[in-house]
Amino acid sequence: GESVGLHLPTLSVQEGDNSIINCAYSNSASDYFIWYKQESGKGPQFIIDIRSNMDKRQGQRVTVLLNKTVKHLSLQIAATQPGDSAVYFCAENPLSGAGSYQLTFGKGTKLSVIP
Amino acid sequence: KAGVTQTPRYLIKTRGQQVTLSCSPISGHRSVSWYQQTPGQGLQFLFEYFSETQRNKGNFPGRFSGRQFSNSRSEMNVSTLELGDSALYLCASSPGRGFYGYTFGSGTRLTVV
Repeated sequence: GESVGLHLPTLSVQEGDNSIINCAYSNSASDYFIWYKQESGKGPQFIIDIRSNMDKRQGQRVTVLLNKTVKHLSLQIAATQPGDSAVYFCAENPLSGAGSYQLTFGKGTKLSVIP
Repeated sequence: KAGVTQTPRYLIKTRGQQVTLSCSPISGHRSVSWYQQTPGQGLQFLFEYFSETQRNKGNFPGRFSGRQFSNSRSEMNVSTLELGDSALYLCASSPGRGFYGYTFGSGTRLTVV
């Protein structure tokens, strides 16, 4: 079935560098996407979201890019800090247009920041 | 303002027993969703509740059920527990149904022995 997947399971980045975490989705009907950060022992924490009518959205130190042509989503973290070390999940809502609100999550990318 | 509160944080149950987990959403949030997280399957949608009605249900057996109360608090129940039900159960709330970023609680870690 269709699902959200991630290209890389782990990513190591030097402190201060920029991080890019990628996500591929296969459901062309998805119109809402969210990035979450999950630290050990905690629930997922909302980072940023984007609707399908947008290509880019920026937050504080984070940018999400959406390429609908190739069904690709990415999260860019500027000036990565040790506190950014966590597992990052992308999630999509494939049925929001039909009034169904449930998220399909990718398997996650573990980001490790090297001091 | 208080976040999403899930109780208990940890739970150990025996195969065949049943369990009830509780979730208190952020004040003012009316939609509550439940997810199961396991190392093998990742995060999977269980159900969504809004205005005390189940709006969506994921691909889980009938042993998994839930409800929502008039104050938006929600419970989920798993009957006849199996070893494979061991997981982190996460509750997420949002202001309503729509393009909202869902806020998750810290989860209930259920271990079935």
